[in-house]
Amino acid sequence: DTAVSQTPKYLVTQMGNDKSIKCEQNLGHDTMYWYKQDSKKFLKIMFSYNNKELIINETVPNRFSPKSPDKAHLNLHINSLELGDSAVYFCASSQFGVTEAFFGQGTRLTVV
Amino acid sequence: AQRVTQPEKLLSVFKGAPVELKCNYSYSGSPELFWYVQYSRQRLQLLLRHISRESIKGFTADLNKGETSFHLKKPFAQEEDSAMYYCALSGVGGSEKLVFGKGTKLTVNP
Repeated sequence: DTAVSQTPKYLVTQMGNDKSIKCEQNLGHDTMYWYKQDSKKFLKIMFSYNNKELIINETVPNRFSPKSPDKAHLNLHINSLELGDSAVYFCASSQFGVTEAFFGQGTRLTVV
Repeated sequence: AQRVTQPEKLLSVFKGAPVELKCNYSYSGSPELFWYVQYSRQRLQLLLRHISRESIKGFTADLNKGETSFHLKKPFAQEEDSAMYYCALSGVGGSEKLVFGKGTKLTVNP
């Protein structure tokens, strides 16, 4: 019974395309995150939502737009994909007031 | 500014040898410190957190506020410990983001 699940697990697409990654958590958490892991395995936060409200928005190109239809879901839409967007994107969730985060299995995005 | 430094990108030891993965941090206040582990092609998972002061899979980590360090240690490494290890910090409470170090890839050789 997966706690934080992301789809798809792998995504290969051409430059210039628009793609979305979906994330769902069944832990009852009210806070969700997107992290990016680059080719050097460096993990960096991109966005955080608490109860569907954006609370953290790091320096990320406008081509990246998160959407949270409800507190159990946080999707990531990327417009006009570039080669440099190739990375593994991790979704995570936590409960407000508790800093331990639970991570999804990651989505490996390859832009060709 | 929040910063986590893991000075070793790669660490290789033999099975049965002691292992120490270094982590230093910079934070104005009292952070929460964590170690996360990522086995090959798997999700990131919490290994331990400083406030619980427990030993997981034989690993321990002590927060040293004077040296601003949170080194991860295990007296006898096992081959299954081979993984990427990330030290992370967060502000206390709220929905604070996790700030990660760049990770240390541990390889335990037979």
